[in-house]
Amino acid sequence: DQQVKQNSPSLSVQEGRISILNCDYTNSMFDYFLWYKKYPAEGPTFLISISSIKDKNEDGRFTVFLNKSAKHLSLHIVPSQPGDSAVYFCAATNDYKLSFGAGTTVTVRA
Amino acid sequence: DAGVIQSPRHEVTEMGQEVTLRCKPISGHDYLFWYRQTMMRGLELLIYFNNNVPIDDSGMPEDRFSAKMPNASFSNLKIQPSEPRDSAVYFCASSSPLKRDEQFFGPGTRLTVL
Repeated sequence: DQQVKQNSPSLSVQEGRISILNCDYTNSMFDYFLWYKKYPAEGPTFLISISSIKDKNEDGRFTVFLNKSAKHLSLHIVPSQPGDSAVYFCAATNDYKLSFGAGTTVTVRA
Repeated sequence: DAGVIQSPRHEVTEMGQEVTLRCKPISGHDYLFWYRQTMMRGLELLIYFNNNVPIDDSGMPEDRFSAKMPNASFSNLKIQPSEPRDSAVYFCASSSPLKRDEQFFGPGTRLTVL
């Protein structure tokens, strides 16, 4: 049972433009949400997170938005850079166990 | 810090053989997690430890899978006997007591069972 869903398997964006990645969850008990980035042949690396008591968290070019009523979060990357080309995983937790989405492959075109 | 270290990076074995995957967490981290990534199921948690004690192994697929953490610096995941459907990338991750949800992942072990 997939509790975290990323319905877009891929996203292509031009360098300098905004990338928007979406994530939906079903478990209302989740209280912490994270985004991880993964390059080929490497493990996922933590990117940014947000607590359920907030609706926005910003870190440089990365902003995560949380809409609890819709059980939806999104990651905005502005501006997109070639090095951002990777697989992005959304994750959620209410204890120490992370539930991951299937991932979205982002390709940034020059 | 060297980060989470996993060995081997690649393992090819034949069905029925025992496979042992190894992990060294980041020093000072007291949580250790084992994940498996497959095309069909994505990234799924197999088991996690706190202070070397297994806390939740509900994700371990079968009795053929076992994991131990004999000390704070080492954990292993064993599959005996291995089957072709065990082919996947296995990740180990660790986290600190200060930021428990931000897990640091190793590079993974790509396992192929023929």
